[in-house]
Amino acid sequence: AQKVTQAQTEISVVEKEDVTLDCVYETRDTTYYLFWYKQPPSGELVFLIRRNSFDEQNEISGRYSWNFQKSTSSFNFTITASQVVDSAVYFCALGGEINAGNNRKLIWGLGTSLAVNP
Amino acid sequence: NAGVTQTPKFRVLKTGQSMTLLCAQDMNHEYMYWYRQDPGMGLRLIHYSVGEGTTAKGEVPDGYNVSRLKKQNFLLGLESAAPSQTSVYFCASSPPGTPRRQFFGPGTRLTVL
Repeated sequence: AQKVTQAQTEISVVEKEDVTLDCVYETRDTTYYLFWYKQPPSGELVFLIRRNSFDEQNEISGRYSWNFQKSTSSFNFTITASQVVDSAVYFCALGGEINAGNNRKLIWGLGTSLAVNP
Repeated sequence: NAGVTQTPKFRVLKTGQSMTLLCAQDMNHEYMYWYRQDPGMGLRLIHYSVGEGTTAKGEVPDGYNVSRLKKQNFLLGLESAAPSQTSVYFCASSPPGTPRRQFFGPGTRLTVL
């Protein structure tokens, strides 16, 4: 069975601190895809990144970076020098193989609520 | 392109009333989804569709029905609303094949009294 665990329910940091959001997944698929989405207080869901299981290179986009480690089944998200505008709920999700029919829907974590305080 | 739109944005129902939420996408996506979001529960999949004329149950389908008569539209129906269906409902769409980014609508906030 596929599963995504975001063990941190809520995180609170002070502006300019670095913060890492954890995502641990379970899957038997050989090929799979991992996603991060952001949901700010306004409520919309904002896509951040999609990563496939064959690409273990870390990804950096501005203050955001992602660390994918197959050995620990983790896809963690780090915000460097956090800002108040980063306050949001962040979701990690997993999509699987076409042959197994696991590509049709994403498996979502419960989300981590990040509060960045001034 | 409007992307994914949802109608209405807000609605208040009385217990037992029925209603239909409309989701429309203009990206020619094959896959469409209905989620509900409740505090602490994340996004839970209600129903989804992998093409026109097809629908499938998600993890919380009870009390809801769906239809996908046109590729661009995905309707979510509540036949007899219950207070437990008070939630924020999101529609999403994505291309077929390898798991792709899901594009989300703005959400519908539904309150059942």
